[in-house]
Amino acid sequence: SQQGEEDPQALSIQEGENATMNCSYKTSINNLQWYRQNSGRGLVHLILIRSNEREKHSGRLRVTLDTSKKSSSLLITASRAADTASYFCATDAGSNYQLIWGAGTKLIIKP
Amino acid sequence: GAGVSQSPSNKVTEKGKDVELRCDPISGHTALYWYRQSLGQGLEFLIYFQGNSAPDKSGLPSDRFSAERTGGSVSTLTIQRTQQEDSAVYLCASSLTGNTEAFFGQGTRLTVV
Repeated sequence: SQQGEEDPQALSIQEGENATMNCSYKTSINNLQWYRQNSGRGLVHLILIRSNEREKHSGRLRVTLDTSKKSSSLLITASRAADTASYFCATDAGSNYQLIWGAGTKLIIKP
Repeated sequence: GAGVSQSPSNKVTEKGKDVELRCDPISGHTALYWYRQSLGQGLEFLIYFQGNSAPDKSGLPSDRFSAERTGGSVSTLTIQRTQQEDSAVYLCASSLTGNTEAFFGQGTRLTVV
């Protein structure tokens, strides 16, 4: 079962703008991860943030984690057409550290 | 190998036939996941193997689906008596432990006709 919820379900912005996606979860976690998927094939890991971290950066990506609200956000700055993809969050809230996935946000960057 | 390998990449089968999908995880990864994804949808969890623990099979949609992982390495997902609703992309992922970075294969696109 999936415990994560992501919003928005879909997001369409102009190239160069910033894109923000949110993920909420229900139970306590050790870490939360964000992944990108192009063309409906394998997902690619973007960033992992631990429960004792509040913010993490990787290039144009910025992830925040608020454990009190059980939510995380992924910010992509200065978006590019190549950022068009689906983005998923995953938490390790399952038994035996199983990853639990959100439903994903479809991001479209318009040139 | 350098990454997670899945085979075949595409499979077309007739309704009622059995199919086997294979996943070669990254060497040393104790955790292995199978997911199913229909077009434009999210990941549907199927089964989770973690080390020597009993696998979590709670996501398998029916008793036509089964999976095994031999020697803690290669995994095979078997679908018996395939139905058209089984058509989807089947994704395999492995990770060093359950909650570290997961590496995905490119998936097997299954089409049941």
